[in-house]
Amino acid sequence: GESVGLHLPTLSVQEGDNSIINCAYSNSASDYFIWYKQESGKGPQFIIDIRSNMDKRQGQRVTVLLNKTVKHLSLQIAATQPGDSAVYFCAVPRGNKLTFGTGTQLKVEL
Amino acid sequence: DVKVTQSSRYLVKRTGEKVFLECVQDMDHENMFWYRQDPGLGLRLIYFSYDVKMKEKGDIPEGYSVSREKKERFSLILESASTNQTSMYLCASTRVDTGELFFGEGSRLTVL
Repeated sequence: GESVGLHLPTLSVQEGDNSIINCAYSNSASDYFIWYKQESGKGPQFIIDIRSNMDKRQGQRVTVLLNKTVKHLSLQIAATQPGDSAVYFCAVPRGNKLTFGTGTQLKVEL
Repeated sequence: DVKVTQSSRYLVKRTGEKVFLECVQDMDHENMFWYRQDPGLGLRLIYFSYDVKMKEKGDIPEGYSVSREKKERFSLILESASTNQTSMYLCASTRVDTGELFFGEGSRLTVL
């Protein structure tokens, strides 16, 4: 079945630096990938998604990169701010359900 | 503003009690989901529903049941709570043609 994982449980960055959060997936037939952000005490929120016919998609201060050859995607956050502190999940659809990775805790140091 | 509302943020129950977790969405979404979230395990799907009175088991349905009598409401039921069901429970909804889930704030359940 589908497995989705994240490379690091915790990532610490200095305020103002760029953050890169990684995710690997197992099913090469996956055609849609989503990143969620979960702040402390809240439910996850959609950040950005990407379809498999793209290798890059940009949002506001965030970029998602997809490498289908190695089944890897990453979320890049430019000029990381304290408000970016959260747990970040990648998710892959499985039928009409989503499989989530275990999450990376992003800590922003002042 | 779109919203998924979970009825209780924090609950403390005793082993063997019956527990109801309620979730309401105001977006007219077809699909609704219940996940539990535990440290190191991420979000695991318990049950989901793609229509009124329809339900499907997720990855960890044992010990749980659900009810969807109205489109906007999806309830999670623990028939006889056990300590290993202590967890954060998250409800979510989505339109049938998108993978963007809208989550509630979560219900933290402690079973003593």
